[in-house]
Amino acid sequence: KAGVTQTPRYLIKTRGQQVTLSCSPISGHRSVSWYQQTPGQGLQFLFEYFSETQRNKGNFPGRFSGRQFSNSRSEMNVSTLELGDSALYLCASSSTTGQVYEQYFGPGTRLTVT
Amino acid sequence: QKEVEQNSGPLSVPEGAIASLNCTYSDRGSQSFFWYRQYSGKSPELIMSIYSNGDKEDGRFTAQLNKASQYVSLLIRDSQPSDSATYLCAASGYSTLTFGKGTMLLVSP
Repeated sequence: KAGVTQTPRYLIKTRGQQVTLSCSPISGHRSVSWYQQTPGQGLQFLFEYFSETQRNKGNFPGRFSGRQFSNSRSEMNVSTLELGDSALYLCASSSTTGQVYEQYFGPGTRLTVT
Repeated sequence: QKEVEQNSGPLSVPEGAIASLNCTYSDRGSQSFFWYRQYSGKSPELIMSIYSNGDKEDGRFTAQLNKASQYVSLLIRDSQPSDSATYLCAASGYSTLTFGKGTMLLVSP
């Protein structure tokens, strides 16, 4: 089975711009979660989508948004970029069978905001 | 607020030794626990899952869970330099995971 894929792998943007990141989960996985990882804060949960619905949301401002398509692929968008948004953005997919939520991560998108 | 605490390290062990990584969690409702390994510049890789009190072994890795003490640990036997990485502990919530900030492990030849 192919793993989780994320595009693009690297991005450089300017403050004030917006960015869209894409994630394709493992085939058959319907849950997609997004995380932001920075050296100081570690892995922080952004949101989780399941069957095209946002099921959980972390404590991030409204500039961060996402969506999921019928094929389970997901996108996240960050508007009005700030320097502090520079981070590794990780997507993880899960099959959510029962109460087991083993999550498998994609390679990440490294976003640099200048 | 749900929290997962880990010692940031680095934990330094010689090659061939046992590395012991520990984690505590605050949410008594957490049912599933995971260990991820993250090499520098890479994404986290799931290496162990544990759901019941006790030990779970997989190759050189043993995960231990004590729900009464809200404590999870990972033992790595016969540590190799290739085990040098940051190890992240995670506890499940409702379809979400809360991660600790990770413990850096350094295995010296």
